[in-house]
Amino acid sequence: EADIYQTPRYLVIGTGKKITLECSQTMGHDKMYWYQQDPGMELHLIHYSYGVNSTEKGDLSSESTVSRIRTEHFPLTLESARPSHTSQYLCASSDAPLGNSPLHFGNGTRLTVT
Amino acid sequence: AQSVAQPEDQVNVAEGNPLTVKCTYSVSGNPYLFWYVQYPNRGLQFLLKYITGDNLVKGSYGFEAEFNKSQTSFHLKKPSALVSDSALYFCAVRDQTGANNLFFGTGTRLTVIP
Repeated sequence: EADIYQTPRYLVIGTGKKITLECSQTMGHDKMYWYQQDPGMELHLIHYSYGVNSTEKGDLSSESTVSRIRTEHFPLTLESARPSHTSQYLCASSDAPLGNSPLHFGNGTRLTVT
Repeated sequence: AQSVAQPEDQVNVAEGNPLTVKCTYSVSGNPYLFWYVQYPNRGLQFLLKYITGDNLVKGSYGFEAEFNKSQTSFHLKKPSALVSDSALYFCAVRDQTGANNLFFGTGTRLTVIP
């Protein structure tokens, strides 16, 4: 089972609300990632971090923001949720600096904005 | 630029028959290649990876993949499919410079028919 935890698993909220999706890992990994997964399956990297106080935007433009104050914690925040944000959000981590290390994924948060 | 192609959105195979899920890639230089599996309402799980060495890589749950440099392919295979193998499968690639993040294919849904 995963050593990377995402909460909540499911979230239904109204438009305009501020939300934070939580992600924590207990493996001491430096690298952490957020992916957005379409209903049609495709994964898009939206944010990543190579360590504490390091955050970068990914390949897909996103209105969300992230922070990395502690190694184990990488929360994602939407200041004002919209229906277009409805998606599954997957958090992952990996060892650094090895590029050949696999990603470890959490079980995801399925977000629905009404 | 790096990219991954999974040409089949859907693969159906009878239980007990061999299965193949196709993947081709494009990177500058030598690749790191990965296969992941996703079960319903779960995150992705690492199956296997190719870093260097033997072109035939063995992974979890009896899966294996063959790296073919001339065809830039990394097809996932299993000699005898199980109904429990039904899931989404993702191929991913990263170049060995480590300069880029992992890039995922669009996924292939495997259905094993009893």
